[in-house]
Amino acid sequence: DAGVIQSPRHEVTEMGQEVTLRCKPISGHNSLFWYRQTMMRGLELLIYFNNNVPIDDSGMPEDRFSAKMPNASFSTLKIQPSEPRDSAVYFCASTLDVGGAGANVLTFGAGSRLTVL
Amino acid sequence: LAKTTQPISMDSYEGQEVNITCSHNNIATNDYITWYQQFPSQGPRFIIQGYKTKVTNEVASLFIPADRKSSTLSLPRVSLSDTAVYYCLVGDKESGANNLFFGTGTRLTVIP
Repeated sequence: DAGVIQSPRHEVTEMGQEVTLRCKPISGHNSLFWYRQTMMRGLELLIYFNNNVPIDDSGMPEDRFSAKMPNASFSTLKIQPSEPRDSAVYFCASTLDVGGAGANVLTFGAGSRLTVL
Repeated sequence: LAKTTQPISMDSYEGQEVNITCSHNNIATNDYITWYQQFPSQGPRFIIQGYKTKVTNEVASLFIPADRKSSTLSLPRVSLSDTAVYYCLVGDKESGANNLFFGTGTRLTVIP
């Protein structure tokens, strides 16, 4: 398996522009997570899906951020309009959650580095 | 939220054993302890997970005392390539996002 695939790897855009980040989870995984990492705030969980349904989006900063998972093999994180403070590395992760005891073990993608000028 | 506390940074020489301790005083009965490693410009990578006593895999060992209020990640004979940030997470699936919370982590620097 190619792992979790994210695109683009790097994006530079101007304030006010729309940004769309994409993620392809590992085939067969049923849970998908979006994180944001900055030096100041570390790794923050933005939202996660289970079986394509958003379960917890309490980490989404504000209405400018939205995430969708139209099917089991694709998810997007959209920022509209983007602001300089959105500059960060955005990670997507996935796991197979079959319930039962234990904690989720996540497989992360390589990340998308966003710079908003 | 089961909060974790780790040292901000650690230095070690190549070839030494490194032990990183994580405190989680309010760990819940069903919580598991999970460790991740993150290299620069990469996403975190799962290292090891345990509930009690000792767990060992090809990468590391995890020691958990009986009270489970702390855990120690042990890396045997570190090399320069082990320089990374190590995160300790505590929780279980029932706690939802709580088992997915990454703290500040421990930045390990391995010195030649």
